Parts: sequence; C-alpha cells; structure tokens
Amino acid sequence: DAGITQSPRHKVTETGTPVTLRCHQTENHRYMYWYRQDPGHGLRLIHYSYGVKDTDKGEVSDGYSVSRSKTEDFLLTLESATSSQTSVYFCAIIIPPGGPLGNEQYFGPGTRLTVT
Amino acid sequence: SQELEQSPQSLIVQEGKNLTINCTSSKTLYGLYWYKQKYGEGLIFLMMLQKGGEEKSHEKITAKLDEKKQQSSLHITASQPSHAGIYLCGAVGFGGNNRKLIWGLGTSLAVNP
Repeated sequence: DAGITQSPRHKVTETGTPVTLRCHQTENHRYMYWYRQDPGHGLRLIHYSYGVKDTDKGEVSDGYSVSRSKTEDFLLTLESATSSQTSVYFCAIIIPPGGPLGNEQYFGPGTRLTVT
Repeated sequence: SQELEQSPQSLIVQEGKNLTINCTSSKTLYGLYWYKQKYGEGLIFLMMLQKGGEEKSHEKITAKLDEKKQQSSLHITASQPSHAGIYLCGAVGFGGNNRKLIWGLGTSLAVNP
C-alpha cells in the first residue's frame, strides 16, 4: 500500500462545469503525477509535480491545470469540463529511492469521471 | 506512432497454459517497467529491468530485457484466473527527463478456467 488516495472515486458532471480531483499521499514524497487512461490511447501524462508549487506539463495538458500548495496534495482541475475529458484519472507518486533509476511509480486507485 | 508497442493487444488462454507478452521500443531502452492492472483498479508494480539480458521473476511471472532488440518479454507459466488483467509496460522517457515514463497501450489477458 503506497498510501495514495484519490477523491472522488466516481464523478458525473455536466459540460462546462469546473471539476477538481484530489490526490493525497501520506508520506510527503516529492514527485507526483496525474495521468488519464483511455481505450486506444493507454496511459497519458497530464501534469506532474516535483515539489510544492513546482509543476510541469505532460503530453495532454490542454484544458487541465494543477496545484500543489502542500506536499501531500496534488490537485487536478478541469477548468471547463468537456465530454472528451470523460476518462479514468490516475495519480502516481515516486517513493524514494524509486528503484535503481529513481522513477518507479506507484499508483492510486483512480477516479472515473464522466462528463455529460 | 507509439514509442512502446505491446503485443498482442489481447489474449485469451486456458488455465494452465503458458503465455508471452512483448513490449518493443522504437528507441534504446534504459529501464523497462511492467505493471498489472485489474479491471477497474489502479496499476500494480510487478518488476523493473535495467540491463540487457536481465531476467526477473515474481511468482510465476518472468520478465526479460533484450537490449539489442529493444524489447522486453513477460512470460507467465501455468496461467491462473488470478493472472487476468491488463499488463502494461513503461519505459524511461526518451526526452531526457528520467522522472517521466512513457507507456505501451497494454495487453488484456483473460484466463478461462
């Protein structure tokens, strides 16, 4: 158990509404990631963070913003949800030493988001 | 095109049969990760391979890294229904940031009792 929780676990929202997903870790590890997983596209990185207030974009960051004001929480916001953002969202962390290359990731249980 | 190609995309086997899943990279591999995902759940780390020729085992699952072929194979011996799920390979990002992983699309495995 990597001590990662995601909330909510399921959400249905309407197009155009803002949505915030939360990833919480209990151990104050530095690296945190947000992915989305879709059939035919696999796992794609949205944003990641390497410390409080230090974030960077992934390959599918358009329409998403993130914030990390505390080490233990990494928030993903869909500014104005669209149907194309219907997906399963996963948070991941690196638990030091992160394996021999320092990048072994551990995943949360996921959030299933449906935008109608 | 996908930088990490997994084959086959899906697989149905009879319980007790052996099977192999492949993960082929378009570029040199510096680290290759295997994860398993049960349907509707998060990814579980299985093992990591770093060096060419390296082989690791976890229960009845063995993974190898062939550096020359830029490929890793995951072999399950005497499959059981508990092996069912999606197997994903991930590799250290090719863009120079080794804190990011890139991912294959996954192989869906069903094991019939």
